[in-house]
Amino acid sequence: AQTVTQSQPEMSVQEAETVTLSCTYDTSESNYYLFWYKQPPSRQMILVIRQEAYKQQNATENRFSVNFQKAAKSFSLKISDSQLGDTAMYFCAFMKHGSSGGSNYKLTFGKGTLLTVNP
Amino acid sequence: SAVISQKPSRDICQRGTSLTIQCQVDSQVTMMFWYRQQPGQSLTLIATANQGSEATYESGFVIDKFPISRPNLTFSTLTVSNMSPEDSSIYLCSVRDRGFYGYTFGSGTRLTVV
Repeated sequence: AQTVTQSQPEMSVQEAETVTLSCTYDTSESNYYLFWYKQPPSRQMILVIRQEAYKQQNATENRFSVNFQKAAKSFSLKISDSQLGDTAMYFCAFMKHGSSGGSNYKLTFGKGTLLTVNP
Repeated sequence: SAVISQKPSRDICQRGTSLTIQCQVDSQVTMMFWYRQQPGQSLTLIATANQGSEATYESGFVIDKFPISRPNLTFSTLTVSNMSPEDSSIYLCSVRDRGFYGYTFGSGTRLTVV
């Protein structure tokens, strides 16, 4: 079974600064996907970024980027130029890729990191 | 990505009663997923709902407590039966995005059982 660990229950950052959220995972799979989801107080789960394990290049989406270290099973999220709207709970999630070419579909989530961006 | 309409957004229910949560998707999807998020906790998958077949439940969740319907490719319901205060949670539905970039979630149902 896969496990996802987020060791930082809470973090804070000043507006316009950079912050990094940590995520480690444990799996025996070689092919899988990793995600970061954001959940603001509205409860809506919003996909921030995803990484495919077979790709060595780190994914980026505007101010969001990841540091994917497959051997270390680490998947951290860096938020640059933090904005007040980035205040939310951030969840790291894992999904294994099925050997048939399809996907296993089940997302396994970490416990989340509550990020507060201060003005 | 798909757009999901989830209802109700919140409800306060008496123990022993049942609540049915609905999710409507703006496109046809093969699988829909139901998650529970207990207060201050992460998301846990309850079950996967396929159209035309029985839902597949995760360990710790049973059909009698969480019956699911999937009458067509755009709609699903989750019922929380015989509720107790321990069922107070946020319930979310989710679908896999076409082309698979990720998963889209409904806006969630905040359930409080008193």
